[in-house]
Amino acid sequence: GAVVSQHPSWVICKSGTSVKIECRSLDFQATTMFWYRQFPKQSLMLMATSNEGSKATYEQGVEKDKFLINHASLTLSTLTVTSAHPEDSSFYICSARPGQNNSPLHFGNGTRLTVT
Amino acid sequence: AQTVTQSQPEMSVQEAETVTLSCTYDTSESDYYLFWYKQPPSRQMILVIRQEAYKQQNATENRFSVNFQKAAKSFSLKISDSQLGDAAMYFCAYLLLSGGGADGLTFGKGTHLIIQP
Repeated sequence: GAVVSQHPSWVICKSGTSVKIECRSLDFQATTMFWYRQFPKQSLMLMATSNEGSKATYEQGVEKDKFLINHASLTLSTLTVTSAHPEDSSFYICSARPGQNNSPLHFGNGTRLTVT
Repeated sequence: AQTVTQSQPEMSVQEAETVTLSCTYDTSESDYYLFWYKQPPSRQMILVIRQEAYKQQNATENRFSVNFQKAAKSFSLKISDSQLGDAAMYFCAYLLLSGGGADGLTFGKGTHLIIQP
């Protein structure tokens, strides 16, 4: 079945540094990938839609200069948290859909980011 | 904008019993999908079941079934013969179909399901 790989699974960084999270579709091509953020005991909130070969679409309230998204190929999207602060500590999950709109979304295993 | 509401923050059920998780949603669209996802402590999102809005027949997947009431905008999940491995957070989610695959899922706040042995 369709597999989405996310790396790293967890990362600790110091305040002010940048962190890059990778999301790969291992056995299918994804023109669109989605990035979600999940705070403890809360739901998943869509941050942005990553579009291969074009700019990402950000949800209202998400800073595009802080959360840089690059979707350079049909199998890889990256999310870079720039100048991270403790309030950016969260669980970040990517997802992708193989094929058409009626295909189910497949999720990566998520990345737990802790900013100290 | 679409919204998804799960009114039960937590539910508890005895092992082998049946439990129903509630979900309502608000949309002005007619073509969409609805999903139930399970998130165990590992945080991995696992698709449980999905329903196409144009289908009147309720989706079923083994012990999992839904009661889809389109007019009422209700989409409840029934878990029969509950097992210890069913313990997890359950999220109801909505996907607009006409977005051509460009839309992400809208999730409810989740229901924490506890299975009592």
